[in-house]
Amino acid sequence: QITLNESGPTLVKPTQTLTLTCTFSEFSLSTSGVGVGWIRQPPGKALEWLALIYWDDDKRYSPSLKSRLTITKDISKSQVVLTMTNMDPVDTATYYCALIESRYHFDYWGQGALVTVSS
Amino acid sequence: DIQVTQSPSSLSASIGDRVTITCRASQSISTYLNWYQQKPGKAPKLLVYLASNLQSGVPSRFSGSGSGTDFTLTVSSLQPEDFATYYCQQSYGIPWTFGQGTKVEIK
Repeated sequence: QITLNESGPTLVKPTQTLTLTCTFSEFSLSTSGVGVGWIRQPPGKALEWLALIYWDDDKRYSPSLKSRLTITKDISKSQVVLTMTNMDPVDTATYYCALIESRYHFDYWGQGALVTVSS
Repeated sequence: DIQVTQSPSSLSASIGDRVTITCRASQSISTYLNWYQQKPGKAPKLLVYLASNLQSGVPSRFSGSGSGTDFTLTVSSLQPEDFATYYCQQSYGIPWTFGQGTKVEIK
């Protein structure tokens, strides 16, 4: 059974850097076509795509957030890590990671991690 | 960025009703359009991928159609478990973008 699990701090202060880890099981990020993406959802609002990384280390970022985001993968640990710098209260959201099985859609999602940005 | 606009933003429907949600892209995206269902407090779930392909395990009352700029998600006979928010998402261009959501409520 494919699972993804987001972990990281629940509370960060403004200007700090957020580091979120997606730990997954029952699929390999070394398989052709496979990727992992990050999506966030502010409370009561719509989904926003942030970044993704593919099996071949191709990385794509939301242009509006590109300067603040870094996505990396560690195949040996079955993890994908997203870092977001200079956090602001408007970045308060539930952050999801999701499996891309064949390049173009999010097939499985983690349960999400709520991150609050507040001093 | 490619914008995807859903309509309506919300609707009220009864059990057994046929429901149609529309998604319009700001430019042609071929069939790179996916649909997700999200229930309160839960992660989204993939329903339909690449415009018309039903994800494994999704009931056949759900269907998707369209290409280019206009797409629809149809629920042929609404069931109690279908009351949720639905999102379309395009994967034709970076950034991938989601619609603003359509909330389906009980009439």
